[in-house]
Order: sequence, then C-alpha cells, then structure tokens
Amino acid sequence: NAGVMQNPRHLVRRRGQEARLRCSPMKGHSHVYWYRQLPEEGLKFMVYLQKENIIDESGMPKERFSAEFPKEGPSILRIQQVVRGDSAAYFCASSLDRQTTDTQYFGPGTRLTVL
Amino acid sequence: QQQVKQSPQSLIVQKGGISIINCAYENTAFDYFPWYQQFPGKGPALLIAIRPDVSEKKEGRFTISFNKSAKQFSLHIMDSQPGDSATYFCAARNGGSNYKLTFGKGTLLTVNP
Repeated sequence: NAGVMQNPRHLVRRRGQEARLRCSPMKGHSHVYWYRQLPEEGLKFMVYLQKENIIDESGMPKERFSAEFPKEGPSILRIQQVVRGDSAAYFCASSLDRQTTDTQYFGPGTRLTVL
Repeated sequence: QQQVKQSPQSLIVQKGGISIINCAYENTAFDYFPWYQQFPGKGPALLIAIRPDVSEKKEGRFTISFNKSAKQFSLHIMDSQPGDSATYFCAARNGGSNYKLTFGKGTLLTVNP
C-alpha cells in the first residue's frame, strides 16, 4: 500500500532554470495539497487541487509558479526561472476527500536547491 | 501574520520525562487541530488530532489538551523516549472556505538517553 510518492527527492537547479516537482497521491485519493518548508520554518500552504481543477491557490506566488493535477498522471508543481529564494523543501499531501477531519498524508518531499 | 504560534522552538528532555509543546491560535474559524511528527529527511506524519468540542484526547503516550476559551492547545508526550526525538508541528485547519493546514514553526525535541 504505497503512500504519497514524490520525485525527485533532491533537485538542483541554476538560477533561471525550470523546476518540475511530481507528486503521486495515495491510491484512491483525489485531493492534493502542496506545501513549502523553508529552513527553520513550518510548512506553508501553496495550492489545493482536485483532478483537473485548482481549488485554492491562495498560497502560491502569482508569478513563475504553477500547479496542475491532470486526469491521468501525477500532480506537477512547476517553478519557472528559479531564484535562490525558491530553495526549500516542497511537500505534497493527499486526502481521500475534503471533510474537515480527513487526514492529509504527506510525501517525503522534494528538496530544491537553486545555485 | 502568524496564525498559529508554537513554543518552545527547541526542547531537551531526559528519557522517561514529559515533553510539553504549546500552541496558540487566533482564527476562531479553525475547527480541527492535528499534530505532526517529522524526522530528518522525511515528510510530516500525523501523530494525533483533536476537534474543539473535546478538551483532551489521548492516544498511547501522546495527549492533546485543548482550551477553546484561551485558544490554546498543547501536546504532552509521556515517558519520552530517544525515538521520539523529532520535530513536532502543530497545525490548524479552517473548515469553512478552504481546507488548508496552517502550521506552527515547529519544535525540535531531543530526548536524551
């Protein structure tokens, strides 16, 4: 029973390049959340998606960042023209539905380093 | 504006002792309060959670105490073990317009043998 899978686990990019982070939710889960964790900080919500829909992107920077969760395949968080400040751990979580008490299960994260 | 304040930032406890981590929140629309445990290089894992209609929830050595009027909640780890050494995050979720988790900044717990 695989949990939430994320890849790559580590990603190094130079300034100006693009970063693509992938998240496969737990089997049967159709709700995906992306969070960013800066050093010495808690996780900060970025975006909440259901299949083919962005439900809430209030935590995502308006420029350079985008997210999708297609009908088939993993959810993708895309960062264009990365800058050093984008260096962080990016976590994906999934849930079965959006009921308040439903658990969000987190993946192991992708650690992005921008040189 | 930080909506969930967590303290202390770090905590050192002897094996067998009690670890206590505190959180305070501001948004009265929060209606679900989970605690997550995170080991280095891993993602956060749900430890225990509570809703504001109860004042305490216990699961094994872990207990959440909740004070709705004070808008505070805390995690107690009884008989702390070296294997409990990790970072602990409190969180809160707004059941209204969205379901995102708002996290505290975390507490690094070290349990000495």
